[in-house]
Amino acid sequence: GAVVSQHPSWVICKSGTSVKIECRSLDFQATTMFWYRQFPKQSLMLMATSNEGSKATYEQGVEKDKFLINHASLTLSTLTVTSAHPEDSSFYICSAKGIKETQYFGPGTRLLVL
Amino acid sequence: EDKVVQSPLSLVVHEGDTVTLNCSYEVTNFRSLLWYKQEKKAPTFLFMLTSSGIEKKSGRLSSILDKKELFSILNITATQTGDSAVYLCAVEASNTDKLIFGTGTRLQVFP
Repeated sequence: GAVVSQHPSWVICKSGTSVKIECRSLDFQATTMFWYRQFPKQSLMLMATSNEGSKATYEQGVEKDKFLINHASLTLSTLTVTSAHPEDSSFYICSAKGIKETQYFGPGTRLLVL
Repeated sequence: EDKVVQSPLSLVVHEGDTVTLNCSYEVTNFRSLLWYKQEKKAPTFLFMLTSSGIEKKSGRLSSILDKKELFSILNITATQTGDSAVYLCAVEASNTDKLIFGTGTRLQVFP
């Protein structure tokens, strides 16, 4: 089956720093990648959709200047949380989708901002 | 507004019991309905349903979709402690490729 990786798995940082999370599709070309956020005991909330080579489309209420998304190639998308604050602490999950494929999820990245 | 509703929110059973999890939806441009199992990490794929009345089965798990009544069920027979997880239902919209997730059903299976 299709494999999607995320790096890092866990990150703890100080308030005010920026954190970059990578999402890679390892064995297929992902025309679209999605970024989700999940707070404890809640469901996944879509943050943004990114297509290779174009700007990401953000969901309502998600600050595009705070959550920078770059989909530089068909196998890599990055999410940068700029000037992170404690309320940004969450579980960030990416998914990747090729042509005529369903979405495959990465293992997720837990972010804790102190 | 598109929405996916799951019930119950939480379920506690003993090993060997059979459980039925429900998912109803109101989504324009429906493409497919998906079930996922989430333990401590990201969701793992269980089933994708696109047609009404065709049961998908994998071991003790099975699922079916009713596109007329806009719901799906996920059945787990002879539950085991390893089935303890949050089960997520999501609907994919054909015009956006987005997945709209329900709130999930938390299943706990005790020995």
